[in-house]
Amino acid sequence: QVQLVESGGGVVQPGRSLRLSCAASGFTFSSYGMHWVRQAPGKGLEWVAVISYDGRNKYYADSVKGRFTISRDNSKNMLNLQMNSLRAEDTAVYYCATDYDSSDWGQGTLVTVSS
Amino acid sequence: SSELTQDPAVSVALGQTVRITCQGDSLRSSYASWYQQKPGQAPVLVIYNKNNRPSGIPDRFSGASSGNTASLTITGAQAEDEADYYCNSRDSSGNHWVFGGGTKLTVL
Repeated sequence: QVQLVESGGGVVQPGRSLRLSCAASGFTFSSYGMHWVRQAPGKGLEWVAVISYDGRNKYYADSVKGRFTISRDNSKNMLNLQMNSLRAEDTAVYYCATDYDSSDWGQGTLVTVSS
Repeated sequence: SSELTQDPAVSVALGQTVRITCQGDSLRSSYASWYQQKPGQAPVLVIYNKNNRPSGIPDRFSGASSGNTASLTITGAQAEDEADYYCNSRDSSGNHWVFGGGTKLTVL
């Protein structure tokens, strides 16, 4: 059974950094691309970033390009999101999700950017 | 702003049929997926690749697509189907995901 568990969320001041992780199990992690998706309080879903199965290709939403970096460690079945220069508008629940047709999602981790 | 357009809210009487639509250019080249989200919970995939249901999703959920429009139909809506529904597809490059703004379904 596929399991995705996000961690690393919390309260951070504007301009600071935070690193999210997603521990994957129950499938061949190294064979699939992975996404980060976020949801601001009371708002809809927003795609953030995707990384290819081998980590060679990465794409970002314009809203986070240049500030966020997606990465993965296939030896540890781990997906990461390094978030720098955080802004109030980055406040959201962040979900990791698999990039296959019947996509699986984690339960999310809350990031609050506030002074 | 979303590249996929959904009606913000739809209502249906208990036991009746409701269709939720999603429009966007990306749907001409990419299948839609549909997610159900209840308050305080993570999104749950209910339809993928136009009209496939993951294990455990009731067969009252079905999907269809034509041109730049995808739709999710719930045949015989139940009280537990009251939720927000989001459509999702790849963009024209095939690399990014895009989401609709979501439709709040009320079961009367």
